[in-house]
Amino acid sequence: DIQMTQSPSSLSASVGERVTMTCRASEGISRSLNWYQQKPGRAPKLLIYGASTLQSGVPSRFSGSGSGTDFTLTISSLQPEDFATYSCQHSYITPWTFGQGTRVEMK
Amino acid sequence: QVQLQESGPGLVRPSQTLSLTCTVSGGSISGHYWSWIRQSPGKELEWIGYVYSSGTTNYNPSLQSRVTMSIDTSRNQFSLRLSSVTAADTAVFYCARGSPLYVMSIVYYVLDVWGQGTAVTVSS
Repeated sequence: DIQMTQSPSSLSASVGERVTMTCRASEGISRSLNWYQQKPGRAPKLLIYGASTLQSGVPSRFSGSGSGTDFTLTISSLQPEDFATYSCQHSYITPWTFGQGTRVEMK
Repeated sequence: QVQLQESGPGLVRPSQTLSLTCTVSGGSISGHYWSWIRQSPGKELEWIGYVYSSGTTNYNPSLQSRVTMSIDTSRNQFSLRLSSVTAADTAVFYCARGSPLYVMSIVYYVLDVWGQGTAVTVSS
């Protein structure tokens, strides 16, 4: 299985700050990388697919980059509704696997 | 828009079979990879597998020996059965729609619609 490792596991930030988190695959996955946002008690929500394509309806302050093994999710100006856990997931081959998540907390 | 709703017992006895159903409303069940994902307390999401609208299945090898998925297109439902459960199977189970999305002619598979999740506890 391809292992997905996210860092940091958590971060503290203030509203308006720029936030960056990373996801590393244990082997190359081209650009078959998705990002999800999950709030407590809620289902994950698709934010980005194909490493950098924004899902319809997702605010443009979210952006993704990377290919191969290293990927980044950036929130350009953190908003109150962005405090959540962000998980990456590859769909390169099955089994699809997720990272352990990066929790974005209020500073 | 498409909505998914999981249903099934919240408590399952050890060694028994966990059975969940996901009902799809507001859209077609055709052409998608209907998936099950679980999240154990404090752990990452785990993809269990999918059943395609044709009935073809693809399971996570870690669970393959215990998993069966099926689909009933006439009722817009798909189901998960997980046998011989133990406490380690306690989790929130989500059903989700897997969809192929295209970027410059390259297909990417995403989980773009999720159910709200159902908590299942394995305990005697």
